[in-house]
Amino acid sequence: DAKTTQPPSMDCAEGRAANLPCNHSTISGNEYVYWYRQIHSQGPQYIIHGLKNNETNEMASLIITEDRKSSTLILPHATLRDTAVYYCIVSREGTGSARQLTFGSGTQLTVLP
Amino acid sequence: NAGVTQTPKFQVLKTGQSMTLQCAQDMNHNSMYWYRQDPGMGLRLIYYSASEGTTDKGEVPNGYNVSRLNKREFSLRLESAAPSQTSVYFCASTWNRESGNTIYFGEGSWLTVV
Repeated sequence: DAKTTQPPSMDCAEGRAANLPCNHSTISGNEYVYWYRQIHSQGPQYIIHGLKNNETNEMASLIITEDRKSSTLILPHATLRDTAVYYCIVSREGTGSARQLTFGSGTQLTVLP
Repeated sequence: NAGVTQTPKFQVLKTGQSMTLQCAQDMNHNSMYWYRQDPGMGLRLIYYSASEGTTDKGEVPNGYNVSRLNKREFSLRLESAAPSQTSVYFCASTWNRESGNTIYFGEGSWLTVV
């Protein structure tokens, strides 16, 4: 699976949009981009995933560049409860076979009051 | 539907003691994983399992053994605990036809080795 690169930390004002970037320049055609977050001391939680098209759900939006080498997770109206470490990973879809799912260090997002 | 359940949640061990962390999932997932997370660090993969009867090493397997007892259960064993194994351990599972490759994590097991 392709490696990802994320900034180690970001701040965002409460109520504003938080835009978290991820670089995955070695992504291959059958790999999806997944985003997870980990609130302090809890297990990581799934947020959203996508292949090529932009995706939106009740938690966030995912924007993937046309060349698929990078993506941005958008939290449209950040709250204090969104303070967490956000992980971007790439993963092949559909085979069901286990493989090493590696998480990098992620981005520590701090939402400021 | 409990998702991924880990036990125990907290454990203190003396150096050289052994223990087993238990993990069970009720989502009919094929793949299961054990990660460790040290303070201020990301998740590091210890072992994973494609299906019952198969296991593979991850990034940091030394000092650990695993057993995929059946499709639901994946245990992690420390045969002779060392202070360097003080960490938070997360079990995870993924893949069925409904949820695809979304990963579900347990709530973590805090292990201290003194």
